[in-house]
Amino acid sequence: DTGVSQNPRHKITKRGQNVTFRCDPISEHNRLYWYRQTLGQGPEFLTYFQNEAQLEKSRLLSDRFSAERPKGSFSTLEIQRTEQGDSAMYLCASLGVEGLPEANYGYTFGSGTRLTVV
Amino acid sequence: AQTVTQSQPEMSVQEAETVTLSCTYDTSENNYYLFWYKQPPSRQMILVIRQEAYKQQNATENRFSVNFQKAAKSFSLKISDSQLGDTAMYFCASTTGANSKLTFGKGITLSVRP
Repeated sequence: DTGVSQNPRHKITKRGQNVTFRCDPISEHNRLYWYRQTLGQGPEFLTYFQNEAQLEKSRLLSDRFSAERPKGSFSTLEIQRTEQGDSAMYLCASLGVEGLPEANYGYTFGSGTRLTVV
Repeated sequence: AQTVTQSQPEMSVQEAETVTLSCTYDTSENNYYLFWYKQPPSRQMILVIRQEAYKQQNATENRFSVNFQKAAKSFSLKISDSQLGDTAMYFCASTTGANSKLTFGKGITLSVRP
């Protein structure tokens, strides 16, 4: 296992189109997080899963965004009816949870998917 | 709610010299964790160093060390013997609670000059 994999690396789409991104975490990690990073800013939390359960969604996440992790392995993030304000880097990170405080170690980030909405 | 503030947008340092990156944070929690992450251009975010709030001893990792001032809610990163490969954006981040989600600062762009 070579780390967290995200596909595609880049996506250019026209406003109004739907896009889907995929994240493959480290196989033994049971937590998976999505973050969004705009230019010149730090990443912002969007949502996270523990196994297949989506446990928290940020208020930043509009109804056009949906995320799934159907079998507790890979995850997808879909954006419907994209807007120019959705242009950003979407980062995925996985974390193995043995129990606190160890849960707060060892995030592994993917390289991200850069979305450009034109 | 947690907040993380990095007020310096960019810094520059000569190769082999020492540089300190500043970070302040705010939290109402007693148990929390602080991190510095490095994001090289077009590459993935990697962990530089972490600090558990309940530990008084400052964390060190080779050339990287932190100055953790809990009362002042300050968490600065010192990079000694700067190398060209240290050129990157550096993010300060914190996490607390069972959800372990990270709260990041805006980041600082560090350039190491040859």
